[in-house]
Amino acid sequence: EAQVTQNPRYLITVTGKKLTVTCSQNMNHEYMSWYRQDPGLGLRQIYYSMNVEVTDKGDVPEGYKVSRKEKRNFPLILESPSPNQTSLYFCASRARAGGGVFGPGTRLTVL
Amino acid sequence: AQSVTQPDIHITVSEGASLELRCNYSYGATPYLFWYVQSPGQGLQLLLKYFSGDTLVQGIKGFEAEFKRSQSSFNLRKPSVHWSDAAEYFCAVDNYNTGKLIFGQGTTLQVKP
Repeated sequence: EAQVTQNPRYLITVTGKKLTVTCSQNMNHEYMSWYRQDPGLGLRQIYYSMNVEVTDKGDVPEGYKVSRKEKRNFPLILESPSPNQTSLYFCASRARAGGGVFGPGTRLTVL
Repeated sequence: AQSVTQPDIHITVSEGASLELRCNYSYGATPYLFWYVQSPGQGLQLLLKYFSGDTLVQGIKGFEAEFKRSQSSFNLRKPSVHWSDAAEYFCAVDNYNTGKLIFGQGTTLQVKP
């Protein structure tokens, strides 16, 4: 089954404790992205990647890092999480001319 | 800069009534356009997409959308709404050069019995 998986699905952490949210896709898609979804603000892109070792900032990259060492994986790293990063995070992948497949989401709470 | 506007934040329709959700985009070239649906507590699911060709696009769940270049619009329609269609709907445009999807703010659809 074509899918994007994210782990963990839920995470409660404390300010400053580094964390990684993993994202993996099994469709051999070139493009992968991370979004955060907040009430009243819609979906905002954090980072995206057009292929292995090619990443670029989206609209709200501050406080986040990503890497794309393999085509299938695109982890999101929060080096020092802060409460304003409490949000619902989605990973997505798509072929160059495709509509995209979204992961189930990761609900992060930073205390 | 590319942008997507969904003018309606909330829409309420009666079950069985027709539906139209509006989407306007700003994009310099021929856009790639998408509609997604997000049910409560779920991720986003692609309803349909427009790349080129026929301006009326059919999607899943009985949805369709019409691309109108002259109006910079890509409105989503359904002839008869079901209670299970209650969800949030997002329109998006593709920046083909970067692979970046730009989303509208979303429209929340409520369906009355």
